Amino acid sequence: SQTIHQWPATLVQPVGSPLSLECTVEGTSNPNLYWYRQAAGRGLQLLFYSVGIGQISSEVPQNLSASRPQDRQFILSSKKLLLSDSGFYLCAGDLGGVRYEQYFGPGTRLTVT
Amino acid sequence: GESVGLHLPTLSVQEGDNSIINCAYSNSASDYFIWYKQESGKGPQFIIDIRSNMDKRQGQRVTVLLNKTVKHLSLQIAATQPGDSAVYFCAVGGSGGGNKLTFGTGTQLKVEL
Repeated sequence: SQTIHQWPATLVQPVGSPLSLECTVEGTSNPNLYWYRQAAGRGLQLLFYSVGIGQISSEVPQNLSASRPQDRQFILSSKKLLLSDSGFYLCAGDLGGVRYEQYFGPGTRLTVT
Repeated sequence: GESVGLHLPTLSVQEGDNSIINCAYSNSASDYFIWYKQESGKGPQFIIDIRSNMDKRQGQRVTVLLNKTVKHLSLQIAATQPGDSAVYFCAVGGSGGGNKLTFGTGTQLKVEL
């Protein structure tokens, strides 16, 4: 089975500071990987997805970027955080091919102050 | 594209009763449907899925029903327990967006003792 690891669990950062959230995958190779943001009481907004190393697709224009330096590593970054970047960030992966089910990590609660 | 909506933001049921959570989708080409459970502060957890070539699928205490004619999906939970209290999301995929899923906004299920 596939396990998604994320860290840190919570993060408080000042406006204008950089951000790096890391996600790693265990138990599968060549997964599709996804970064979502979830505002309080709302659904999941897809930010980025990746079908392989170095391949990143952005779903919405924003202050964030993503990278995939290794097959099982997916990183979400920002050079300068905004207050509006606060939220619950979730990394997910699927098995690729015709398997659609995504498995989620525990999430990172980011508060920008 | 695809849009997904849930009929009720909140559903309250008595312990032991059956729960029904509904979801509507817009794209008739959608092929894959998933229900997730999200407990407070955690990542969504896969519950059950169904493909468009089926109209019913059962798991342990859960049943998913798919009505492609009216583009409607439902999750039935039998003998609802306090541990079922969570936010439930439907997710839809396979409408030409690769493996990406479109999530509904979620229904908060509250189980009353």
